[in-house]
Amino acid sequence: AQSVTQLDSQVPVFEEAPVELRCNYSSSVSVYLFWYVQYPNQGLQLLLKYLSGSTLVESINGFEAEFNKSQTSFHLRKPSVHISDTAEYFCAVSPNNNAGNMLTFGGGTRLMVKP
Amino acid sequence: NAGVMQNPRHLVRRRGQEARLRCSPMKGHSHVYWYRQLPEEGLKFMVYLQKENIIDESGMPKERFSAEFPKEGPSILRIQQVVRGDSAAYFCASSPGQGGGYTFGSGTRLTVV
Repeated sequence: AQSVTQLDSQVPVFEEAPVELRCNYSSSVSVYLFWYVQYPNQGLQLLLKYLSGSTLVESINGFEAEFNKSQTSFHLRKPSVHISDTAEYFCAVSPNNNAGNMLTFGGGTRLMVKP
Repeated sequence: NAGVMQNPRHLVRRRGQEARLRCSPMKGHSHVYWYRQLPEEGLKFMVYLQKENIIDESGMPKERFSAEFPKEGPSILRIQQVVRGDSAAYFCASSPGQGGGYTFGSGTRLTVV
């Protein structure tokens, strides 16, 4: 079984400041890792994912996340946020095997970017 | 490619009525997943289906909830005799196979009054 912990339920930050959204997981098997973003009243959009290879993964809109196996973490970072980044961010894992693709989600972090 | 299509977007039901939520996966995707998001919470897995088969329903409540993914047509999540606690956003996702994550629909927001 897997579990995901997002330590911060809300993160307020000023525009153009850097931000880090924390995600830690536990699992008895190897996992894939994901960050999803949810804008108000919308579905989830995949932001980035780690499947294998380089532990640093990037999205097209400036976010990046680094898989740290020893610390079982997959923190999301952006060096300079915009107002439009205001949304709910979910970290998720799925087992790296053939047992199915079920995602286990963290509770979410609400990023609030202030002008 | 129209993506994962869910309908209706919003559904209001009175207590005791039935709710039917529909999900059409992306073209070429044969794996469908249903998740529920309660207010102020993350998403919780409900059920995983492939065409005509339920693969994993470990997240489904034991009573009143059922899901199907027929050979033809959309996947259906059915909730019988709805109660206020069923009010939530229900998301469907699809994938072409194992591994790598999947694509979510925009969800159906069920309100039980």
